[in-house]
Amino acid sequence: DAKTTQPPSMDCAEGRAANLPCNHSTISGNEYVYWYRQIHSQGPQYIIHGLKNNETNEMASLIITEDRKSSTLILPHATLRDTAVYYCIVRDTTGNQFYFGTGTSLTVIP
Amino acid sequence: GAVVSQHPSRVICKSGTSVKIECRSLDFQATTMFWYRQFPKQSLMLMATSNEGSKATYEQGVEKDKFLINHASLTLSTLTVTSAHPEDSSFYICSVGRAGASTDTQYFGPGTRLTVL
Repeated sequence: DAKTTQPPSMDCAEGRAANLPCNHSTISGNEYVYWYRQIHSQGPQYIIHGLKNNETNEMASLIITEDRKSSTLILPHATLRDTAVYYCIVRDTTGNQFYFGTGTSLTVIP
Repeated sequence: GAVVSQHPSRVICKSGTSVKIECRSLDFQATTMFWYRQFPKQSLMLMATSNEGSKATYEQGVEKDKFLINHASLTLSTLTVTSAHPEDSSFYICSVGRAGASTDTQYFGPGTRLTVL
């Protein structure tokens, strides 16, 4: 079962930072947090993942709270092409499965 | 990241027929592949985990005799929907990963849209 909770939808103005929250209060010590996004009728696209420390790559930044019970994905300068459903996933370490929650539908507004 | 392809991208079939969907890892050897199903306006649902050289592990509620999975090689997995019915119409997506890697990332294919008439 999915172990994450995300708001169902969010809007963001083009050019502004998009901050997408995720709660994962039952996460255990060795479970990673992954973020993917899915543009309509395509396969999910990997964005970023982390364990404890904040992470940054060319797409986004991931901020994980010290207690690891929540995280925030930051898209620093949202564009119209960032409109998608964003999924926060806590990765099952026993069998490496991903159980998707309902995600956040992000709409970037011109 | 890894490059994953699926074939066909779209298929329409008659009720009662079987449909085979291929998932290929194009640039690395995938010891583990995953199959998902996604209904309109819903999230992805994991159907099964396939390890090369062994039988697939199906999630609860997924009929193994209806959704046949063959992980033929380190670069190919197939999902066969047997005796398809309209309720099997869905978006089927595969992903690939490396078993046993604690920081393993799954890379997804583009998906296959199945419509059963």
